Amino acid sequence: QVQLEQAGAEVKKPGSSVTVSCKASGGTLSGHAINWVRQAPGQGLEWVGGIFPVFGTPTYAPSFKGRVTIHSDESTDTAHMVVDNLRSEDTAIYYCARGRPHGNTWYVALDVWGQGTLVSVSP
Amino acid sequence: QSVLTQPPSMSGAPGQRVTISCTGGGSNIGAGYDVHWYQQVPGTAPKLLIYANSNRPSGVPDRFSGSKSGTSASLVITGLQAEDEADYFCQSFDISLSGVFGGGTKLTVL
Repeated sequence: QVQLEQAGAEVKKPGSSVTVSCKASGGTLSGHAINWVRQAPGQGLEWVGGIFPVFGTPTYAPSFKGRVTIHSDESTDTAHMVVDNLRSEDTAIYYCARGRPHGNTWYVALDVWGQGTLVSVSP
Repeated sequence: QSVLTQPPSMSGAPGQRVTISCTGGGSNIGAGYDVHWYQQVPGTAPKLLIYANSNRPSGVPDRFSGSKSGTSASLVITGLQAEDEADYFCQSFDISLSGVFGGGTKLTVL
């Protein structure tokens, strides 16, 4: 049973960057869509971006373009998300999630989730 | 403001049927993208409940069902149980190749 492992928490200053990593165990990320989703305290889910095998490059939500970079390392079966120029509004739990293959579609559901990394941004 | 619209809260008594709606537009659900549903118990990661509009992953009770029509989708829970008390989120994709979520529906079992 594949699991996605994430670090528990990061504390950062405004203006700095954070790298959130997501390592697969008991299975692989290779060939699967990898999505990043965040959840601010007491709020709903927000899609940040993702890597879809069918596309050549990662895709990002408009509000994160230019400030977030997503990439994966097949040699370590680990996905990474870098958020630059952090602000207090970025305080949230960041989840990685693996896509569930379904036919030939790329817009797949997220069936395996990491436990989330709490990123706290504070002066 | 979420791209997909869900009722913020709903409630039902044990044994009842509850329908949670998810309304999008022509650039997401209406463009033909599948709708997926997740259940989230506070303090835990979301769990996939329904994928590709109406399919249940193994292990999800058949009390949960989903459907999609036009620019909307619905999640139906029949035979409501206390353990169904959670937040429910719909998700789809957009022609901009972005994922989109509903704002979530907090379900209370009375």
